[in-house]
Amino acid sequence: EAGVVQSPRYKIIEKKQPVAFWCNPISGHNTLYWYRQNLGQGPELLIRYENEEAVDDSQLPKDRFSAERLKGVDSTLKIQPAELGDSAVYLCASSQEGTGGRLSPLHFGNGTRLTVT
Amino acid sequence: DQQVKQNSPSLSVQEGRISILNCDYTNSMFDYFLWYKKYPAEGPTFLISISSIKDKNEDGRFTVFLNKSAKHLSLHIVPSQPGDSAVYFCAASAPYTGNQFYFGTGTSLTVIP
Repeated sequence: EAGVVQSPRYKIIEKKQPVAFWCNPISGHNTLYWYRQNLGQGPELLIRYENEEAVDDSQLPKDRFSAERLKGVDSTLKIQPAELGDSAVYLCASSQEGTGGRLSPLHFGNGTRLTVT
Repeated sequence: DQQVKQNSPSLSVQEGRISILNCDYTNSMFDYFLWYKKYPAEGPTFLISISSIKDKNEDGRFTVFLNKSAKHLSLHIVPSQPGDSAVYFCAASAPYTGNQFYFGTGTSLTVIP
């Protein structure tokens, strides 16, 4: 089984520039997550999709962040414009429906390390 | 507000000995708990889980214990191996919340050969 694929692995941009991250989840996983992980912290949820629908985006800074999941498979996360505080690792994860409505554990990609200078 | 806490940022253990990683939570609605392992430059990898209907789950060298009354869970690794050196995150979720997982801040385990 192929894992969650993310690209790019690393990105360095100047502040105020736009940046985009791409994620391809595990085949058959209908739920997709974007997490942000700051240094020394655990992952924090930005947005969760069930198929094409964003069902939880309460933690997404909507003034500069946007995400989409067309056709319920791949997803992109965009930041425009980037700020210094956006430097972090952006993780994509996917999961599938388990028994009793409980989702299976999250499967993470290797993340994109963003550095904003 | 950190609902899942790992109060030990780091832990060092001799190879062959037991590693015990601890995690506390504040939300009594959490009923599903997971442990993830993370190597540098890689994403977290699922290790083991436990449901609140159990107090113990074992998978090879890894055992997770859940104490619901204390809102505490722990991961035991026996025997510890150098390849276990990584950052370990615990995570929790509650029912009827869209299965949002809350993560702790991680504990960096170093197994000394």
